[in-house]
Amino acid sequence: ETGVTQTPRHLVMGMTNKKSLKCEQHLGHNAMYWYKQSAKKPLELMFVYSLEERVENNSVPSRFSPECPNSSHLFLHLHTLQPEDSALYLCASSQDPAWGDEQFFGPGTRLTVL
Amino acid sequence: GIQVEQSPPDLILQEGANSTLRCNFSDSVNNLQWFHQNPWGQLINLFYIPSGTKQNGRLSATTVATERYSLLYISSSQTTDSGVYFCAVRPSNTGKLIFGQGTTLQVKP
Repeated sequence: ETGVTQTPRHLVMGMTNKKSLKCEQHLGHNAMYWYKQSAKKPLELMFVYSLEERVENNSVPSRFSPECPNSSHLFLHLHTLQPEDSALYLCASSQDPAWGDEQFFGPGTRLTVL
Repeated sequence: GIQVEQSPPDLILQEGANSTLRCNFSDSVNNLQWFHQNPWGQLINLFYIPSGTKQNGRLSATTVATERYSLLYISSSQTTDSGVYFCAVRPSNTGKLIFGQGTTLQVKP
Protein backbone atom coordinates (compact mmCIF):
# COMPACT_ATOMS: atom_id res chain seq x y z
CA GLU A 1 0.00 0.00 0.00
CA THR A 2 1.66 3.23 -1.18
CA GLY A 3 -0.86 5.75 0.17
CA VAL A 4 -2.23 6.46 -3.31
CA THR A 5 -5.51 4.85 -4.35
CA GLN A 6 -7.17 4.72 -7.74
CA THR A 7 -10.69 3.78 -8.84
CA PRO A 8 -11.88 1.97 -10.79
CA ARG A 9 -9.13 -0.62 -11.20
CA HIS A 10 -10.56 -1.79 -14.53
CA LEU A 11 -12.73 0.08 -17.02
CA VAL A 12 -14.18 -0.89 -20.37
CA MET A 13 -15.83 1.87 -22.39
CA GLY A 14 -17.09 2.56 -25.87
CA MET A 15 -15.79 5.41 -27.98
CA THR A 16 -18.89 7.52 -27.34
CA ASN A 17 -18.92 7.07 -23.56
CA LYS A 18 -17.89 9.57 -20.92
CA LYS A 19 -16.15 8.23 -17.85
CA SER A 20 -13.87 9.50 -15.09
CA LEU A 21 -10.85 8.05 -13.32
CA LYS A 22 -10.30 8.98 -9.69
CA CYS A 23 -7.10 9.22 -7.68
CA GLU A 24 -6.73 9.98 -3.99
CA GLN A 25 -3.53 10.39 -1.99
CA HIS A 26 -3.28 10.08 1.79
CA LEU A 27 0.33 11.25 2.08
CA GLY A 28 -0.18 14.97 2.59
CA HIS A 29 1.57 15.73 -0.69
CA ASN A 30 1.14 18.91 -2.72
CA ALA A 31 1.70 17.54 -6.22
CA MET A 32 -0.20 14.94 -8.21
CA TYR A 33 0.47 13.40 -11.62
CA TRP A 34 -1.21 11.34 -14.33
CA TYR A 35 0.89 8.89 -16.37
CA LYS A 36 -0.06 6.62 -19.25
CA GLN A 37 1.54 3.22 -19.82
CA SER A 38 0.79 1.66 -23.20
CA ALA A 39 1.88 -1.83 -24.17
CA LYS A 40 5.54 -2.02 -25.17
CA LYS A 41 6.12 1.67 -24.34
CA PRO A 42 7.63 3.40 -21.31
CA LEU A 43 5.46 5.37 -18.93
CA GLU A 44 4.56 8.78 -20.31
CA LEU A 45 3.74 11.81 -18.18
CA MET A 46 0.37 13.37 -19.05
CA PHE A 47 -0.33 16.08 -16.46
CA VAL A 48 1.20 17.61 -13.35
CA TYR A 49 -0.73 19.50 -10.68
CA SER A 50 0.87 21.47 -7.87
CA LEU A 51 -1.37 22.88 -5.15
CA GLU A 52 -4.39 22.28 -7.38
CA GLU A 53 -2.91 24.22 -10.30
CA ARG A 54 -1.94 22.51 -13.53
CA VAL A 55 1.77 23.15 -14.03
CA GLU A 56 2.43 20.80 -16.91
CA ASN A 57 0.42 19.41 -19.82
CA ASN A 58 2.51 17.06 -21.89
CA SER A 59 0.74 17.62 -25.26
CA VAL A 60 -2.20 15.44 -24.29
CA PRO A 61 -5.28 15.38 -26.59
CA SER A 62 -8.29 17.32 -25.33
CA ARG A 63 -10.36 14.14 -25.02
CA PHE A 64 -8.46 13.74 -21.72
CA SER A 65 -9.48 16.41 -19.23
CA PRO A 66 -7.87 16.52 -15.77
CA GLU A 67 -9.38 18.06 -12.66
CA CYS A 68 -7.78 18.67 -9.28
CA PRO A 69 -10.37 20.00 -6.80
CA ASN A 70 -7.95 19.84 -3.85
CA SER A 71 -4.45 18.60 -3.13
CA SER A 72 -5.68 15.10 -2.18
CA HIS A 73 -7.84 14.32 -5.20
CA LEU A 74 -7.19 14.12 -8.91
CA PHE A 75 -9.57 13.12 -11.67
CA LEU A 76 -9.13 12.29 -15.33
CA HIS A 77 -12.30 12.84 -17.34
CA LEU A 78 -12.51 10.81 -20.53
CA HIS A 79 -14.72 11.43 -23.55
CA THR A 80 -14.82 10.22 -27.15
CA LEU A 81 -11.72 8.10 -26.67
CA GLN A 82 -10.08 6.00 -29.37
CA PRO A 83 -9.07 2.32 -29.17
CA GLU A 84 -5.40 3.39 -29.11
CA ASP A 85 -6.11 5.11 -25.78
CA SER A 86 -6.41 1.69 -24.18
CA ALA A 87 -3.64 1.58 -21.58
CA LEU A 88 -2.80 1.49 -17.89
CA TYR A 89 -3.34 4.93 -16.34
CA LEU A 90 -1.26 5.58 -13.27
CA CYS A 91 -1.61 8.36 -10.73
CA ALA A 92 1.28 9.51 -8.57
CA SER A 93 1.94 12.08 -5.88
CA SER A 94 4.96 13.83 -4.39
CA GLN A 95 5.65 16.54 -1.88
CA ASP A 96 6.71 19.21 -4.36
CA PRO A 97 7.27 18.85 -8.12
CA ALA A 98 9.89 21.59 -8.19
CA TRP A 99 12.42 19.78 -6.04
CA GLY A 100 12.77 16.44 -7.78
CA ASP A 101 11.40 14.60 -4.80
CA GLU A 102 10.23 11.00 -4.63
CA GLN A 103 7.01 10.07 -6.40
CA PHE A 104 4.63 7.40 -5.14
CA PHE A 105 2.25 5.60 -7.48
CA GLY A 106 -1.23 4.21 -7.21
CA PRO A 107 -2.19 0.75 -8.48
CA GLY A 108 -3.48 2.08 -11.79
CA THR A 109 -6.67 1.85 -13.84
CA ARG A 110 -6.55 -0.55 -16.77
CA LEU A 111 -8.65 1.05 -19.49
CA THR A 112 -9.99 -0.71 -22.56
CA VAL A 113 -11.68 1.34 -25.28
CA LEU A 114 -13.86 -0.67 -27.65
CA GLY B 1 15.34 15.55 -24.41
CA ILE B 2 17.07 13.28 -21.96
CA GLN B 3 17.52 9.64 -22.94
CA VAL B 4 17.19 6.83 -20.39
CA GLU B 5 18.49 3.43 -21.38
CA GLN B 6 18.15 0.30 -19.30
CA SER B 7 20.00 -2.95 -19.78
CA PRO B 8 19.52 -5.77 -20.22
CA PRO B 9 15.97 -5.60 -21.63
CA ASP B 10 15.25 -9.15 -20.49
CA LEU B 11 16.85 -11.34 -17.86
CA ILE B 12 16.16 -14.91 -16.80
CA LEU B 13 17.69 -16.15 -13.55
CA GLN B 14 17.65 -19.29 -11.50
CA GLU B 15 16.41 -18.77 -7.96
CA GLY B 16 19.30 -17.84 -5.70
CA ALA B 17 21.34 -16.12 -8.38
CA ASN B 18 22.57 -12.52 -8.24
CA SER B 19 22.04 -9.87 -10.90
CA THR B 20 22.89 -6.30 -11.83
CA LEU B 21 20.58 -4.01 -13.75
CA ARG B 22 21.92 -0.85 -15.33
CA CYS B 23 20.40 2.55 -16.11
CA ASN B 24 22.26 5.09 -18.24
CA PHE B 25 21.02 8.63 -18.71
CA SER B 26 22.19 11.31 -21.08
CA ASP B 27 21.97 14.51 -19.01
CA SER B 28 22.23 15.76 -15.43
CA VAL B 29 19.37 14.84 -13.11
CA ASN B 30 18.15 15.84 -9.67
CA ASN B 31 16.10 12.71 -9.01
CA LEU B 32 16.52 9.04 -9.83
CA GLN B 33 14.13 6.32 -8.73
CA TRP B 34 14.06 2.54 -9.18
CA PHE B 35 10.67 0.81 -9.31
CA HIS B 36 9.45 -2.76 -9.48
CA GLN B 37 6.21 -3.23 -11.42
CA ASN B 38 4.32 -6.29 -10.32
CA PRO B 39 2.11 -8.36 -12.68
CA TRP B 40 -0.94 -6.32 -11.67
CA GLY B 41 0.69 -3.06 -12.75
CA GLN B 42 1.51 -1.59 -9.34
CA LEU B 43 4.75 0.39 -9.28
CA ILE B 44 6.58 -0.29 -6.06
CA ASN B 45 9.24 2.17 -4.95
CA LEU B 46 12.58 0.48 -4.46
CA PHE B 47 15.00 3.36 -4.15
CA TYR B 48 15.10 7.13 -4.36
CA ILE B 49 18.76 7.57 -5.17
CA PRO B 50 19.92 10.71 -7.02
CA SER B 51 23.47 9.86 -5.90
CA GLY B 52 25.37 7.49 -3.66
CA THR B 53 24.60 3.98 -2.48
CA LYS B 54 21.63 2.55 -0.59
CA GLN B 55 20.70 -0.93 0.59
CA ASN B 56 17.39 -2.47 1.49
CA GLY B 57 17.56 -6.16 2.33
CA ARG B 58 18.64 -8.16 -0.72
CA LEU B 59 18.50 -5.09 -2.93
CA SER B 60 20.98 -2.30 -3.22
CA ALA B 61 21.51 0.57 -5.63
CA THR B 62 24.32 2.89 -6.61
CA THR B 63 24.07 6.09 -8.63
CA VAL B 64 27.15 7.82 -10.01
CA ALA B 65 25.61 11.10 -11.09
CA THR B 66 28.83 12.52 -12.58
CA GLU B 67 29.08 9.52 -14.90
CA ARG B 68 25.31 9.40 -15.53
CA TYR B 69 24.48 5.87 -14.57
CA SER B 70 22.80 3.88 -11.83
CA LEU B 71 22.99 0.19 -10.93
CA LEU B 72 20.44 -1.99 -9.14
CA TYR B 73 21.78 -5.13 -7.50
CA ILE B 74 19.55 -8.07 -6.64
CA SER B 75 21.15 -10.78 -4.53
CA SER B 76 19.84 -14.27 -3.80
CA SER B 77 16.94 -13.74 -6.20
CA GLN B 78 13.52 -15.19 -5.42
CA THR B 79 10.57 -15.97 -7.69
CA THR B 80 8.72 -13.03 -6.17
CA ASP B 81 11.38 -10.73 -7.64
CA SER B 82 9.96 -11.43 -11.10
CA GLY B 83 8.46 -8.46 -12.91
CA VAL B 84 9.61 -5.33 -14.67
CA TYR B 85 12.20 -3.03 -13.14
CA PHE B 86 12.09 0.63 -14.16
CA CYS B 87 14.59 3.38 -13.74
CA ALA B 88 13.15 6.92 -13.85
CA VAL B 89 15.01 10.22 -13.79
CA ARG B 90 14.05 13.85 -13.28
CA PRO B 91 16.15 16.17 -15.47
CA SER B 92 17.47 19.19 -13.65
CA ASN B 93 15.56 21.70 -15.75
CA THR B 94 12.07 20.17 -15.67
CA GLY B 95 9.45 18.61 -13.42
CA LYS B 96 9.01 15.48 -15.56
CA LEU B 97 9.96 12.00 -14.42
CA ILE B 98 11.32 10.22 -17.50
CA PHE B 99 11.14 6.44 -17.48
CA GLY B 100 13.40 3.93 -19.17
CA GLN B 101 12.02 1.01 -21.14
CA GLY B 102 12.46 -1.37 -18.23
CA THR B 103 14.18 -4.68 -17.58
CA THR B 104 11.88 -7.70 -17.50
CA LEU B 105 13.16 -10.18 -14.92
CA GLN B 106 12.01 -13.78 -14.65
CA VAL B 107 13.27 -15.83 -11.73
CA LYS B 108 12.77 -19.56 -12.14
CA PRO B 109 12.42 -21.93 -9.17
